[in-house]
Amino acid sequence: GAGVSQSPSNKVTEKGKDVELRCDPISGHTALYWYRQSLGQGLEFLIYFQGNSAPDKSGLPSDRFSAERTGGSVSTLTIQRTQQEDSAVYLCASSRGTSVYQETQYFGPGTRLLVL
Amino acid sequence: GEDVEQSLFLSVREGDSSVINCTYTDSSSTYLYWYKQEPGAGLQLLTYIFSNMDMKQDQRLTVLLNKKDKHLSLRIADTQTGDSAIYFCAESGRDDKIIFGKGTRLHILP
Repeated sequence: GAGVSQSPSNKVTEKGKDVELRCDPISGHTALYWYRQSLGQGLEFLIYFQGNSAPDKSGLPSDRFSAERTGGSVSTLTIQRTQQEDSAVYLCASSRGTSVYQETQYFGPGTRLLVL
Repeated sequence: GEDVEQSLFLSVREGDSSVINCTYTDSSSTYLYWYKQEPGAGLQLLTYIFSNMDMKQDQRLTVLLNKKDKHLSLRIADTQTGDSAIYFCAESGRDDKIIFGKGTRLHILP
């Protein structure tokens, strides 16, 4: 596919359960971002991967959130012991990451998470 | 801290021009963006402007930047029903992070 893909598109889970969200960036893009969009809120930055560098985790809201990126491609965002306030749309974006200037970020369709 | 503000709703008649406004706080921003989000879809980059520019035009879209007032606007000429969406203003913050506003929902009246 030509764009960023995410799975699942929708996820309903019970409070306290763990969830894993997956992002497949555009092939060749070295930069990958996770954002969260809560109802009535703007987009919130979560974490940023750039090549083999240590990820920028400064946006993760708590230690229940973690993300990894295997082989510099696919990324998984894990939320442990989910809470109702975790309900949101989780968006993944990627960019070429080859320029010192800010680059266009291409977004996936998002995963809609509902914690009951 | 960095912040981006925009109004939440805008209603415009079909054929009229839509103007969506945004203010930001980070004077060191190098790029400012407009993204469009249609129902059930991801964000789509509409246009962006370098901070050393005042205006950028791309077909029906015109972006105006007032760096002194930290004010950004998006004008959509001849608004169509397909323009109905949420429009996000965003600025490039530090370390390649993009800071988004809450989005303006554009509603097209017949």
